[in-house]
Amino acid sequence: SSELTQDSAVSVALGQTVRITCHGDSLRSYSASWYQQKAGQAPALVIYGIKNRPSGIPDRFSGSSSGNTASLTITGAQAEDEGDYYCNSRDSSGNLVLFGGGTKVTVL
Amino acid sequence: QVQLQESGPGLVKPSETLSLTCAVSGYSISSAYYWGWIRQPPGKGLEWIGSVYHSGTTYYNPSLKSRVTMSVDTSKNQFSVKLSSVTAADTAVYYCAGNISPTGTSFDHWGQGTLLTVSS
Repeated sequence: SSELTQDSAVSVALGQTVRITCHGDSLRSYSASWYQQKAGQAPALVIYGIKNRPSGIPDRFSGSSSGNTASLTITGAQAEDEGDYYCNSRDSSGNLVLFGGGTKVTVL
Repeated sequence: QVQLQESGPGLVKPSETLSLTCAVSGYSISSAYYWGWIRQPPGKGLEWIGSVYHSGTTYYNPSLKSRVTMSVDTSKNQFSVKLSSVTAADTAVYYCAGNISPTGTSFDHWGQGTLLTVSS
C-alpha cells in the first residue's frame, strides 16, 4: 500500500487525553514517526520508531502501533499542543517516504 | 547546533525549472544517513518530494519522479533539488530535512521552509 490515512480533525478538553490514529498496510512492516506542526512553523518530530521521543519532547506524548494502525496519544493535553499532526512511514518497498494527510488537534 | 536553511528564487514562471538549495551548518552533510525535500501547498498537508542517501542513492516520489533531480555538494555542505516544467500546482512551502540523529528513518531536523510561487 502507498497510503497513510488519518482523521482530519479531533478536539480535546484542556488536560484530557486524545489519541490520533494513522492507518496503512505498510505500518505492518515499517515503524511510524509523528510530527507536530504549529501554525506558521516547520514540522517537528515528536515520536520516532513507533514510541520513542526525541530529546526535549514532553512525556505526555506517547506512541504505539498494532497491525496496520499507529497511534499518537497526548495525555493531559496543553494549549500549546494545538496544531497539525502528521504520521510518517515507508511504503511497502521501504524506499519511499509516506506522510499521512494530517490531523488538526484543537485544545478546548 | 545543527541548522538547515533553504534558499530559492521565491517566484518561478510556469514551465520553468525551479532550483532550491539547503545549506547545512553545524554538521557535516556527509555524516547524515539521508537528506530530503518535503513540500506543503498552501492550506494542505505534507508531500515528500525525494531523499538522497549518504551513498548518493536517490529516491523520488513517483508522482514527481519524471521532473525531479536531487544532488549533494559536500564541498559546500549543502544539497539541492530541481523540479522541471513547473505549474501552479507546484506552488508550496518547500522544506529541507535530514535524518541526523539516531531516529530510525525519521526526519529529525528541518529547515524553516521557503515559499515558492509559480506564476507568470
